[in-house]
Amino acid sequence: NAGVTQTPKFQVLKTGQSMTLQCAQDMNHEYMSWYRQDPGMGLRLIHYSVGAGITDQGEVPNGYNVSRSTTEDFPLRLLSAAPSQTSVYFCASRTSGNSPLHFGNGTRLTVT
Amino acid sequence: TQLLEQSPQFLSIQEGENLTVYCNSSSVFSSLQWYRQEPGEGPVLLVTVVTGGEVKKLKRLTFQFGDARKDSSLHITAAQPGDTGLYLCAAIAGGTSYGKLTFGQGTILTVHP
Repeated sequence: NAGVTQTPKFQVLKTGQSMTLQCAQDMNHEYMSWYRQDPGMGLRLIHYSVGAGITDQGEVPNGYNVSRSTTEDFPLRLLSAAPSQTSVYFCASRTSGNSPLHFGNGTRLTVT
Repeated sequence: TQLLEQSPQFLSIQEGENLTVYCNSSSVFSSLQWYRQEPGEGPVLLVTVVTGGEVKKLKRLTFQFGDARKDSSLHITAAQPGDTGLYLCAAIAGGTSYGKLTFGQGTILTVHP
């Protein structure tokens, strides 16, 4: 089982560059989400989706875009990278109810 | 404002000691989850508590959900170096069962041999 797959694992960007973090899951989960993890801040929700064609904002959505054209994929786009977006990004998915979140292994992003 | 307040933020103890981590909020939750994260990996679910007053045990780990479903605790008995990691509580706000999951700041536990 692949579970949740994130690419790339590491990325360095210059301020102002754009890029897309990829996330794919093969568990047919309706719910997918993106978090960023910074020291002392836990995991903060950026955007989430409860199904194909449906997305919504989390706690820290500014500077990020998402789309959900298929159940499997949920890419996160940085339109114009800023040093404040240096972080570790996690994609996660789950079914409904009290089911657990399944996480990818993260993407470590550095913006210089 | 953090929906879930975890304490303490850091714990450094010797092997064999007991410890408790707290997760508090002013909101009522339909359920609360505890995750453990190791370096370089994503968090992994330990337990889900659903009923107010519920107690669940997972080997040396005991999880409790407050009677009012606003808080939870994780107690580890006789901690071992393998328990070292980041512990996170998480909950869905608003009493709904399908929505965004919010995490606490996490507790970094280090157990020294």
